[in-house]
Amino acid sequence: DIQMTQSPSSLSASVGDRVTITCRASQSITSYLNWYQQKAGKAPKLLIYDASKLQSGVPSRFSGSESGTDFTLTISSLQPEDFATYYCQHSYNIPWTFGQGTKVEIK
Amino acid sequence: QVQLQESGPGLVKPSQTLSLTCTVSGGSVSNNSYFWSWVRQPAGKGLEWIGRIYTTGSTNYNPSLKSRVTISVDTSKNQFSLKLSSVTAADTAVYYCAGGWTYFNSWGQGTLVTVSS
Repeated sequence: DIQMTQSPSSLSASVGDRVTITCRASQSITSYLNWYQQKAGKAPKLLIYDASKLQSGVPSRFSGSESGTDFTLTISSLQPEDFATYYCQHSYNIPWTFGQGTKVEIK
Repeated sequence: QVQLQESGPGLVKPSQTLSLTCTVSGGSVSNNSYFWSWVRQPAGKGLEWIGRIYTTGSTNYNPSLKSRVTISVDTSKNQFSLKLSSVTAADTAVYYCAGGWTYFNSWGQGTLVTVSS
């Protein structure tokens, strides 16, 4: 199985901050990397697919990038509604696996 | 974008079979641009992909659960289903159905299944 390692596991930030979350794959997954946002008690919501494509309806402050097996989710200016847990997920081969999550909390 | 809704018992006894159904609305389970998946999340933990089915009935399962999982599709009812056999307390989780191709762009609200006697 391909292991997805997210860092950090949690972070504290203020409204307006630029936030970066990293996901590292244990082997090449080309661009088959997706990012989700999950709020407490809710289903995950797709933010970014194929490493850098913004899902329809998602604010442009969210962006994704890749460098080899390292993938980054960036929130350019953190908003109050962005406090949540973020997960990466690969879809390169079976089984699809998720990172362990990054919880973004209010500083 | 389709809407998904899970249904099924919230309590299952150990060693029995967990059975859930996902009803698809606003679209067709026969859509050949979608895989239909099940994902679970134990309380306070991360997400685990269980498996997926295509409209043709072709399935793929997570090897960690493969011996106990069956996913099926009923095109006449626009539903797909999950069966997980020989459950233990470790299978207690919120179970989500989800749809998409190489990503999940549609999710059900999730249903909590507790394994307990």
